[in-house]
Amino acid sequence: SQQGEEDPQALSIQEGENATMNCSYKTSINNLQWYRQNSGRGLVHLILIRSNEREKHSGRLRVTLDTSKKSSSLLITASRAADTASYFCATDLREASGSRLTFGEGTQLTVNP
Amino acid sequence: DTEVTQTPKHLVMGMTNKKSLKCEQHMGHRAMYWYKQKAKKPPELMFVYSYEKLSINESVPSRFSPECPNSSLLNLHLHALQPEDSALYLCASSQFRLLSSYNSPLHFGNGTRLTVT
Repeated sequence: SQQGEEDPQALSIQEGENATMNCSYKTSINNLQWYRQNSGRGLVHLILIRSNEREKHSGRLRVTLDTSKKSSSLLITASRAADTASYFCATDLREASGSRLTFGEGTQLTVNP
Repeated sequence: DTEVTQTPKHLVMGMTNKKSLKCEQHMGHRAMYWYKQKAKKPPELMFVYSYEKLSINESVPSRFSPECPNSSLLNLHLHALQPEDSALYLCASSQFRLLSSYNSPLHFGNGTRLTVT
């Protein structure tokens, strides 16, 4: 079962605007990751935030994590048409046998030129 | 381009066929994964191999049979599939250290688009 829920399901913005996507989860986590998927392609890792971190930046990406609310957000600043993709959060329940990444339902982002 | 290579890119098979999906990585990763993704849905974990041993099987039907011949290769053998098994099958790999609480991100291939007729 998927433990992550994302909103919005779809987001359409103009180039240059900021895009914010939210993710909520249900159980304790080791870390939370965000991935991007272009249509028909594999997923690309964007950023990982550990459970003891509150905020992380990478280029135009900013991720926050609130473990008390079991939620995370991904902010893409100054969006570009090339940012058009599906974005998934994934919670990592570290086990002795390996990573058990569980993906949220995803947000389809469309950036209009 | 991804560092995880999956072949074939597309596969059409009948319900009585036997086929295999292949995945290869040369990043020295010791954890490898199979995910299944239906259209407009998130990937769902099927299997995890750690150090070439099957460590997680998410109650996947036996018509899917994984195999890890060595640390660089991962196969998924398919037999007697159903039309509802049509999906994008994604392979991924990651670093994995048994005694570490650190988890590294997954590197995904571009998947095999499987159609079962």
